[in-house]
Amino acid sequence: GAGVSQSPSNKVTEKGKDVELRCDPISGHTALYWYRQSLGQGLEFLIYFQGNSAPDKSGLPSDRFSAERTGGSVSTLTIQRTQQEDSAVYLCASSLINGGADTQYFGPGTRLTVL
Amino acid sequence: AQSVTQLGSHVSVSEGALVLLRCNYSSSVPPYLFWYVQYPNQGLQLLLKYTSAATLVKGINGFEAEFKKSETSFHLTKPSAHMSDAAEYFCAVRPGPKNTDKLIFGTGTRLQVFP
Repeated sequence: GAGVSQSPSNKVTEKGKDVELRCDPISGHTALYWYRQSLGQGLEFLIYFQGNSAPDKSGLPSDRFSAERTGGSVSTLTIQRTQQEDSAVYLCASSLINGGADTQYFGPGTRLTVL
Repeated sequence: AQSVTQLGSHVSVSEGALVLLRCNYSSSVPPYLFWYVQYPNQGLQLLLKYTSAATLVKGINGFEAEFKKSETSFHLTKPSAHMSDAAEYFCAVRPGPKNTDKLIFGTGTRLQVFP
């Protein structure tokens, strides 16, 4: 079956503009995660969604970042008033459930460059 | 709090040599542990995971890892490196079954393989 897909694959924007990044998880997966990977850094957790529960937003770095998950499937990560330090690869992952040894399946990422 | 430490941000080996990538974790409960691999311009892919069923875990592409509770380690090994193993490798920990929280990733180790 299809894996996790993300769009766009690359996004170049000007400082101060808003951007939206999209994630299509694997069908049937109830958990969805967003991570940020900056150059030379590991993966930084941003937010995760689990079914109809309230999302865990504890990793969002500022109030300029927000995310939605509509209908328990597609998710959009929005960054408002982008800054140069927002430049990174944004990875989305999904898993069948959330917990224990469940495997997270990653998309290819969106490379965001803020000029 | 849980954390993961990967010693060595870069490891270089010759083709055919042993690969050893180190990972140490801290956790207050028996953890679930994962190794992921990231090839250039791709998302992360699960190599193997420790679920307490066996301390020696075999994964894809000839990799394996051994859980050593006394050393709080989960080092990744492969007897003979191949050029195609060149990638970035991430160790991750998730707390025990009562906590369905997010994975915590190490900062990654970039593996180079020389002919």
